[in-house]
Amino acid sequence: GQNIDQPTEMTATEGAIVQINCTYQTSGFNGLFWYQQHAGEAPTFLSYNVLDGLEEKGRFSSFLSRSKGYSYLLLKELQMKDSASYLCAVKDSNYQLIWGAGTKLIIKP
Amino acid sequence: NAGVTQTPKFRVLKTGQSMTLLCAQDMNHEYMYWYRQDPGMGLRLIHYSVGEGTTAKGEVPDGYNVSRLKKQNFLLGLESAAPSQTSVYFCASSFEGDRVSSPLHFGNGTRLTVT
Repeated sequence: GQNIDQPTEMTATEGAIVQINCTYQTSGFNGLFWYQQHAGEAPTFLSYNVLDGLEEKGRFSSFLSRSKGYSYLLLKELQMKDSASYLCAVKDSNYQLIWGAGTKLIIKP
Repeated sequence: NAGVTQTPKFRVLKTGQSMTLLCAQDMNHEYMYWYRQDPGMGLRLIHYSVGEGTTAKGEVPDGYNVSRLKKQNFLLGLESAAPSQTSVYFCASSFEGDRVSSPLHFGNGTRLTVT
């Protein structure tokens, strides 16, 4: 079966750095997406990785290792507004998105 | 530019009642989707459409029907609501085509409770 694993919840301190991991087992691979979802709101697109390596976008970076079936989202200089759930999703060989259950990130002052 | 608009935002149904959720997008996207989101689970695809007049089943289609009569609209119907359909429903759209990197644009969701 297809599976995406991410930690259920993480806690970090304002101003610090946090890394949210995502491991996947899917039928084929056509890219990995990260979305941010604030409580009670819609998911919004953060990043897309299809090649191995690190993609940096401001305070957020996303890393992919296809051989290991592994990605992480790195958030730097954490702000209170970064408190949200972070969703990992993989597009499989049929171009269908397989979603993880999300990681709830709690930022403490 | 409103993006993706869903109505209604909240709804309470009794078991056996029917309802239709409306999704509209103004980005001229070909692909549209209906997902449900339940606690502790990833988003699950109910139905999707790759263009006007087309629909296809997703991962959890039972108990739902959809229609895409116009490119900008995608309707989700529940014919006979059941408590198991209590969930948050999200509509999304994307450009897709040959762009596998096209992200999804989501509506703000509909919180449905079936009693």
